Amino acid sequence: DTGVSQNPRHKITKRGQNVTFRCDPISEHNRLYWYRQTLGQGPEFLTYFQNEAQLEKSRLLSDRFSAERPKGSFSTLEIQRTEQGDSAMYLCASSFRNEQYFGPGTRLTVT
Amino acid sequence: DQQVKQNSPSLSVQEGRISILNCDYTNSMFDYFLWYKKYPAEGPTFLISISSIKDKNEDGRFTVFLNKSAKHLSLHIVPSQPGDSAVYFCAASDSGGGADGLTFGKGTHLIIQP
Repeated sequence: DTGVSQNPRHKITKRGQNVTFRCDPISEHNRLYWYRQTLGQGPEFLTYFQNEAQLEKSRLLSDRFSAERPKGSFSTLEIQRTEQGDSAMYLCASSFRNEQYFGPGTRLTVT
Repeated sequence: DQQVKQNSPSLSVQEGRISILNCDYTNSMFDYFLWYKKYPAEGPTFLISISSIKDKNEDGRFTVFLNKSAKHLSLHIVPSQPGDSAVYFCAASDSGGGADGLTFGKGTHLIIQP
């Protein structure tokens, strides 16, 4: 299967800990996006990479959130000093043109 | 301010009939629209899209209609099948899905009754 993959699928962490999620996009896609989805809402755009360049990061929720895409391949999303309000599904998507293809998501639970 | 609105949280349709899901938007800069289908514990799956230069796009059982003057789009599924039961999200972009990402509605839960 050559779809978007995300790891881990589930993460339970204690408040104040740092967490990092990984996304592997579809190999020929140069665009990569991160979204957050909370219960009863649609996905909310966080940040965007074109190849290794992060072209949009103003929508990251706070300075505790950061993302990287070294060498323009996989990407990581890090949340520092997690809070209970960070509990959500974190989705990664990749695209070559207009249609974005999503991974299965990482469900984060902060206790 | 919600720029993409799906006003029906749920919709129940009999198997074999037509399902019509609606979506309204407020941002006149949106020029590309997409529909996604989502099952529980999975990521959204791309279904069909339409550019603002068109008013209709069809792919098998799925047709999307765009009314730019009304800032309204709809997804038609004919005939509806049990596997269509899922949450459907409408999404929009003003840069071809580039730097601004997609703006999503809250979704409509479609239930296909046997």
